[in-house]
Amino acid sequence: EVQLLESGGGLVQPGGSLRLSCAASGFTFSSYAMTWVRQAPGKGLEWVSAISGSGGSTNYAESAKGRFTISRGNSMNTLYLQMNSLRADDTAVYYCARLDGDYAMDVWGQGTTVTVSS
Amino acid sequence: DIQLTQSPSFLSASVGDRVTITCRASQGISNYLAWYQQKPGKAPKLLIYVASTVQNGVPSRFSGSGSGTEFTLTISSLQPEDFATYYCQHLSSYPYSFGQGTKLEIK
Repeated sequence: EVQLLESGGGLVQPGGSLRLSCAASGFTFSSYAMTWVRQAPGKGLEWVSAISGSGGSTNYAESAKGRFTISRGNSMNTLYLQMNSLRADDTAVYYCARLDGDYAMDVWGQGTTVTVSS
Repeated sequence: DIQLTQSPSFLSASVGDRVTITCRASQGISNYLAWYQQKPGKAPKLLIYVASTVQNGVPSRFSGSGSGTEFTLTISSLQPEDFATYYCQHLSSYPYSFGQGTKLEIK
């Protein structure tokens, strides 16, 4: 079964850091680009970042540039999101998703919650 | 950056109704558009990709159309499990973006 499982969320103070992980199973991880999408409480979906299958190409939303770093460990079938200089408006559920080429995010994890608060 | 605007933002309908949601892009995106359904507390679920291709396992009452800047998602006969929030998303170029969502409620 194709599956994504996020972890690493939690409560962090403003200015702090957090690393999210997304463990993939049931497919050839290195063959797919991967992405992070977040959803603030009561709000819509916001694309955050994406990484190619090899890890050699990355892209970020303006809100993530300079603070977040996406990476992957293909030998471990794991996607990461390193988040630094966190702000209150980064509070959200963070989802990882598999990118089916340029066509869609076809597999999603269940999400991990990040709360930035003092 | 490409902006997506969905209409309506809220839709009240009854079981058995036919409903259409529109997604307009701020510039042409060919057919690089997907539609997702999200229920409260759950991850989004892919319904439609490349504007009109129905994802495996999605009921045939869901359909999509459009190209360029205007797209539609149609549910031909609403079922109780269809009441949810729907999002369009473009994958034409980075940064990807989503529409603001359409919440479909039971009348």
